[in-house]
Amino acid sequence: DGGITQSPKYLFRKEGQNVTLSCEQNLNHDAMYWYRQDPGQGLRLIYYSQIVNDFQKGDIAEGYSVSREKKESFPLTVTSAQKNPTAFYLCASRADSLRPRDIQYFGAGTRLSVL
Amino acid sequence: RKEVEQDPGPFNVPEGATVAFNCTYSNSASQSFFWYRQDCRKEPKLLMSVYSSGNEDGRFTAQLNRASQYISLLIRDSKLSDSATYLCVVNSARLSYGKLTFGQGTILTVHP
Repeated sequence: DGGITQSPKYLFRKEGQNVTLSCEQNLNHDAMYWYRQDPGQGLRLIYYSQIVNDFQKGDIAEGYSVSREKKESFPLTVTSAQKNPTAFYLCASRADSLRPRDIQYFGAGTRLSVL
Repeated sequence: RKEVEQDPGPFNVPEGATVAFNCTYSNSASQSFFWYRQDCRKEPKLLMSVYSSGNEDGRFTAQLNRASQYISLLIRDSKLSDSATYLCVVNSARLSYGKLTFGQGTILTVHP
């Protein structure tokens, strides 16, 4: 089955720790995205990548880092610099970032909490 | 002003009711528009794209008014299973590389 797989489903971070959220897609999509969702709020864009070995900051990139070494994979690291990391993190992909009508598909998300 | 604004609700309606949600957007160069549905503690899933001429998918009808910069979603004959949060989503102009902007969502609860 084609889709987007995020792992883990739940993650706990200790003070001062970096943690990495995994996102893998087998849809052969060029573009991938990371969003953060806080309770009662819409999704906010953290980072996005249009193509392998390229990525750009979104609206709330501070305290986060990404890499895009393979087309299928777009891991997100939440660094210790992110002081309020507790949120629902969603990875998404779409076939081509430059076609406006292309649909964006989401993974099932990772819930990150601070211990 | 937020780029995409929705009435957060909640909307509480009985089964069989008709309910409408509106959404306004601020970027007049926006190119495409969507409604996503998000169930509690789940990921958003596409409900329908919104086309300029309006479009219908079963009990759901979406409308776009570019002059007034608003989008609407009409749900007829509401079912219990329609209870969810409905997200209005706008795709910014081409140079934003497909960045989607999400409204905060409208909560719908359909009761027996």
